[in-house]
Amino acid sequence: QSVLTQPPSVSAAPGQKVTISCSGSSSDIGTNSVSWYQQLPGTAPKLLIYDNNKRPSGIPDRFSGSKSGTSATLGITGLQTGDEADYYCGTWDTSPSALVLFGGGTKLTVL
Amino acid sequence: QVQLQESGPGLVKPSQTLSLTCTVSGGSISSATYYWTWIRRPAGKGLEWIGRIYPSGNTNYNPSLKSRVTISLDTSKNQFSLKLSSVTAADTAVYYCARSPGFDIWGQGTMVTVSS
Repeated sequence: QSVLTQPPSVSAAPGQKVTISCSGSSSDIGTNSVSWYQQLPGTAPKLLIYDNNKRPSGIPDRFSGSKSGTSATLGITGLQTGDEADYYCGTWDTSPSALVLFGGGTKLTVL
Repeated sequence: QVQLQESGPGLVKPSQTLSLTCTVSGGSISSATYYWTWIRRPAGKGLEWIGRIYPSGNTNYNPSLKSRVTISLDTSKNQFSLKLSSVTAADTAVYYCARSPGFDIWGQGTMVTVSS
């Protein structure tokens, strides 16, 4: 069972917008920044969002991130069939070892 | 650009030790800017962080695996390695190496099956 809670699945039609939530606690998201990863079928995860809301070079602005308190949200607008993937949030805890935490993942289906 | 590539046996017998290597190309594993991580994804499950190693050789491990995991560096080969002892079927997964902080670069992953 993951420390960070994500909905198991979300779905929306092409062209629509979807949001994926990630809930944590004051000992992780509440203190540290959140990243989001996209894992297309059969491929390695890819960094989508870092530092809560920053996009690496090459990531389209259809993808956005936000954080409030102990929760974070990934938003995807203009949905495309190619966006069908598993999405993970990630952060670390406040222990001296800064242990990495991932959400359980959310399967996005573009209907 | 920097690339990571995992290598190692795809099949390991129960109770034995899983050994994987990640080769870093296009950049130095000794760079003070980065550190190096192992992550796995069991079939039908989500990502699980295994641990990290810094250029200094310092390590941090997932508490749930700590008693069985060793991550090490070989700067002469620009590689870092994972050893997971006393494996069971629950350790069957795709294993990834990634660059930290942020996991901005990942290897393609390697499937490891634990079975007799």
